[in-house]
Amino acid sequence: EDQVTQSPEALRLQEGESSSLNCSYTVSGLRGLFWYRQDPGKGPEFLFTLYSAGEEKEKERLKATLTKKESFLHITAPKPEDSATYLCAVRQTGFQKLVFGTGTRLLVSP
Amino acid sequence: AAGVIQSPRHLIKEKRETATLKCYPIPRHDTVYWYQQGPGQDPQFLISFYEKMQSDKGSIPDRFSAQQFSDYHSELNMSSLELGDSALYFCASRFRTGEETQYFGPGTRLLVL
Repeated sequence: EDQVTQSPEALRLQEGESSSLNCSYTVSGLRGLFWYRQDPGKGPEFLFTLYSAGEEKEKERLKATLTKKESFLHITAPKPEDSATYLCAVRQTGFQKLVFGTGTRLLVSP
Repeated sequence: AAGVIQSPRHLIKEKRETATLKCYPIPRHDTVYWYQQGPGQDPQFLISFYEKMQSDKGSIPDRFSAQQFSDYHSELNMSSLELGDSALYFCASRFRTGEETQYFGPGTRLLVL
């Protein structure tokens, strides 16, 4: 069965302190790995889709990378507005559903 | 850019009542997904539709049913509501032959008293 594990569960950073969030996955036939940002009580906001090992995507202070077993979301010089829960999800070939990890709650202090 | 629209945004029901949640996908998106997110939990897949046909099914209770209409909007019907059904319900949409990304709506917060 698909498994997605995110670490750490929670992360507190000072503004400007760069760090990385990890998403480990076990899935046979990866169709895509997805990163979302979710603010409390709101819908997941799409960040990145990665399809194959070695792929990297970047947007503003965020960079997502993918290997055969895990993905990293690197946050460079974060700002308080980056505070949110970051969700990782995978889709397996032959299935429509996304399987989510439990997320990393990020708090960036000024 | 247009996003997924969900209605209502908030809903309060009594136990054993019924509820209907609606989802309007992004224009040109033909695939709709429903997810349930309990407090402090990650979203759990319920069901999906493509071209009005069910395309995948997850842990959706038998008390729930859903359908997709010819204009691609979808409705999630929930009957005999239980306290444990209180959650955020998200709809997501995708263009089937395009990229894999599912785009989520703002959600419907259901409270069952």
